Amino acid sequence: DVVMTQSPLSLPVTLGQPASISCRSSQSLVYSDGHTYLNWFHQRPGQSPRRLIHEVSNRDSGVPDTFSGSGSGTDFTLKISRVEAEDVGVYYCMQATHWPITFGQGTRLEIK
Amino acid sequence: EVQVVESGGGLIQPGGSLRLSCAASGFTVSSNYMSWVRQAPGKGLEWVSVIYTGGTTKYADSVKGRFTISRDNSKNTVYLQMNSLRAEDTAVYYCVRAAWDYWGQGTLVTVSS
Repeated sequence: DVVMTQSPLSLPVTLGQPASISCRSSQSLVYSDGHTYLNWFHQRPGQSPRRLIHEVSNRDSGVPDTFSGSGSGTDFTLKISRVEAEDVGVYYCMQATHWPITFGQGTRLEIK
Repeated sequence: EVQVVESGGGLIQPGGSLRLSCAASGFTVSSNYMSWVRQAPGKGLEWVSVIYTGGTTKYADSVKGRFTISRDNSKNTVYLQMNSLRAEDTAVYYCVRAAWDYWGQGTLVTVSS
């Protein structure tokens, strides 16, 4: 199975400051069709996960442009340019290139 | 409006069976991959199963041979039949359109005596 390793696991951030989460995979996530099926999700306390980013860098509808995704191969990053109060919760990366689908352990973002 | 709504969770004894339902609206389940993902209390996300448009199914090793995913096109509903339940199957189970863009609110399954 592809292991997805996120860091840090805990991320205290001051409001208005940037934040960055790393996600590394144990194998390349480039599929045979040339696409890289790496998604980012945000889960607020007591809610279902919500997809933020698909295929590495494509922001979903309604996601603020303060969120951006980047990376390639085995190394990916989610960045928040200015953290707001509603950004608290847990962030997960997920790969859908290889079976079985696997998630990172999650990164908990909190406001300092 | 696109929506997925799970139901069928509850408290069940070890070794028992439960069937979860996922009713979709705003899209057709038979035209989409549909997955189940679970989240144990206080833990991360774990993919459980998928059903492809053609009906092919896949399972995580942790549930293979015990869980069965299926769908009823006439009801636009996906199911997860869970047999031989274990304490470690305790989790919130989410139904997800496997473009990963629409998630249900989840249904809690608790396996305990």
